[in-house]
Amino acid sequence: GAVVSQHPSRVICKSGTSVKIECRSLDFQATTMFWYRQFPKQSLMLMATSNEGSKATYEQGVEKDKFLINHASLTLSTLTVTSAHPEDSSFYICSASGTSGGDTDTQYFGPGTRLTVL
Amino acid sequence: RKEVEQDPGPFNVPEGATVAFNCTYSNSASQSFFWYRQDCRKEPKLLMSVYSSGNEDGRFTAQLNRASQYISLLIRDSKLSDSATYLCVVNDRYGNKLVFGAGTILRVKS
Repeated sequence: GAVVSQHPSRVICKSGTSVKIECRSLDFQATTMFWYRQFPKQSLMLMATSNEGSKATYEQGVEKDKFLINHASLTLSTLTVTSAHPEDSSFYICSASGTSGGDTDTQYFGPGTRLTVL
Repeated sequence: RKEVEQDPGPFNVPEGATVAFNCTYSNSASQSFFWYRQDCRKEPKLLMSVYSSGNEDGRFTAQLNRASQYISLLIRDSKLSDSATYLCVVNDRYGNKLVFGAGTILRVKS
């Protein structure tokens, strides 16, 4: 149980385009979803925390207008990187925690999305 | 100062060796502690939680010293498949946020 999927697993796009990444909890209800970013040889950095039905809380230094997060249901959160630039190229990972099918405080990670902006 | 600090390594050890990783954290209000494992270009996977009394899971032993704000992971009888990056992770009291260390690279060689 407690499986989280992400789609797509890899995306290559041109500079200036927008990219949407989906994160789904497959067998539990995710009351909270987290979005992380990891640059090569660096640690995962939390970008934002989203609770179902409410606005996401962004970490300091993360532009909310550039990284749009929607958590419209208990099984789906999306991250849209708007007007992507090469410096946005990174490994984006979501995680989810909830009350069904898993421990309340445990975060279950998706497999990640590798974004390359040309 | 980083919230979670780890020696980046790499630690190069032969199969069968015992290896230990350390980690320090800065937030004394931290409540939960974990070791995750991350393979190259993959998501992190929970290896084990770390409890104040120390805990063991097979070849892996984790210890927590709250007074020194220090966490350790001991791997006995290293296997080739243990090669990965080991992430020290701390959960703070508010918002259930995980703070990741940059990781320690382990390479087990035959």
